[in-house]
Amino acid sequence: DQQVKQNSPSLSVQEGRISILNCDYTNSMFDYFLWYKKYPAEGPTFLISISSIKDKNEDGRFTVFLNKSAKHLSLHIVPSQPGDSAVYFCAASVAGTASKLTFGTGTRLQVTL
Amino acid sequence: KAGVTQTPRYLIKTRGQQVTLSCSPISGHRSVSWYQQTPGQGLQFLFEYFSETQRNKGNFPGRFSGRQFSNSRSEMNVSTLELGDSALYLCASSLTAPGNTIYFGEGSWLTVV
Repeated sequence: DQQVKQNSPSLSVQEGRISILNCDYTNSMFDYFLWYKKYPAEGPTFLISISSIKDKNEDGRFTVFLNKSAKHLSLHIVPSQPGDSAVYFCAASVAGTASKLTFGTGTRLQVTL
Repeated sequence: KAGVTQTPRYLIKTRGQQVTLSCSPISGHRSVSWYQQTPGQGLQFLFEYFSETQRNKGNFPGRFSGRQFSNSRSEMNVSTLELGDSALYLCASSLTAPGNTIYFGEGSWLTVV
């Protein structure tokens, strides 16, 4: 049972444009959500997070939106840069088990020149 | 400050053998968790240790075990290795409070032949 889903395995965006990566979840107990960026053969790098009490969190070029009623979150990257090309994972955790992350399957972002 | 350090980075083992992987968390982080990444199953939570005690456990067989030492360093062990255990094993550390960011190491690549 895939509790966190990233339905787009890949996304291609031109440099300077907005990248929007989507994530859906089914477990209503999830209350903390994170986005990680990952290069092959490396560990995931934390990008941004959001608590369920918020609907938006911004950090530089990265903004995460949370729609609890739709059980949907998205990561916006503006403007996209070639160095953003990587696999992006969304992850979620339940209150009291913050270190037990449930990951999505990842979306490969390619930022083209 | 230094990140999460994992050793060894790469190793090859034979089916039936056992393996021990090591992880040093970020200084001051007392929670250490382990994840397995495979092409077929994605990133999956193995277990979490806090103050030398296993606090959370994922859905893996008993061949997968771990421990944490008083200095928060952690090891995970896989006994009776199977070909399907070939994966990237990631260690992550975090502070203890809910909502704290989880930081990952570079991972240990295990190949079982």
